[in-house]
Amino acid sequence: DVVMTQSPLSLPVTLGQPASISCRSSQSLVFSDGNTYLNWFQQRPGQSPRRLIYKVSNRDSGVPDRFSGSGSGTDFTLKISRVEAEDVGVYYCMQATHWPPFTFGGGTKVEIK
Amino acid sequence: EGQLVESGGGLVQPGGSLRLSCAASGISFSDYWMSWLRQAPGKGLEWVANIKQDGSESYYVDSVKGRFTISRDNAKNSLYLQMISLRAEDTAMYYCATDWHHATSRRFDYWGQGTLVTVSS
Repeated sequence: DVVMTQSPLSLPVTLGQPASISCRSSQSLVFSDGNTYLNWFQQRPGQSPRRLIYKVSNRDSGVPDRFSGSGSGTDFTLKISRVEAEDVGVYYCMQATHWPPFTFGGGTKVEIK
Repeated sequence: EGQLVESGGGLVQPGGSLRLSCAASGISFSDYWMSWLRQAPGKGLEWVANIKQDGSESYYVDSVKGRFTISRDNAKNSLYLQMISLRAEDTAMYYCATDWHHATSRRFDYWGQGTLVTVSS
């Protein structure tokens, strides 16, 4: 199984400041069709997960443009350009290239300082 | 807008059984693979199982193989998860989610609100 490793575990951020979350996979996530199936999910307190980013860098409809995804191969990053109060929650990366099973990172908790 | 509503969770003793359901609306259910995922209390997300549009293929995480069975009824826009031989480590919030859609090439567009399964004596 592909192991997804996120860092940091916890990320205290000042409102209006940037935040960056790293995600590394134990093997390349490039699929035979040339796509890289790496997604990012946000889970606000008490809510179901919501996908923010698909295929590394494609923002979902309704996701603010302060969220961006980047990376390739085995190293990926989710960035929030200016953290807002509504961004508090846990963020997960997930690979959908080598399945079953789909595998998630352990999560990064974003909180306001 | 698509909506998924899970039901069937509850308290069950170790070794017991439970059947979860997920009712879909606002989407073309039969066009999607569908998945079950779970989240143990205070823990991260874990994919459990998925099923193809016509039910002809299904896949499971190793920890539930032989104990859980995923199924669907496209006429009723419904997804199911039959769970037997439940263990304490199966305690979690169970979510259903849309999986692969051929037109969008995306997975997990829609999630339900979850149904809580507690395995305890």
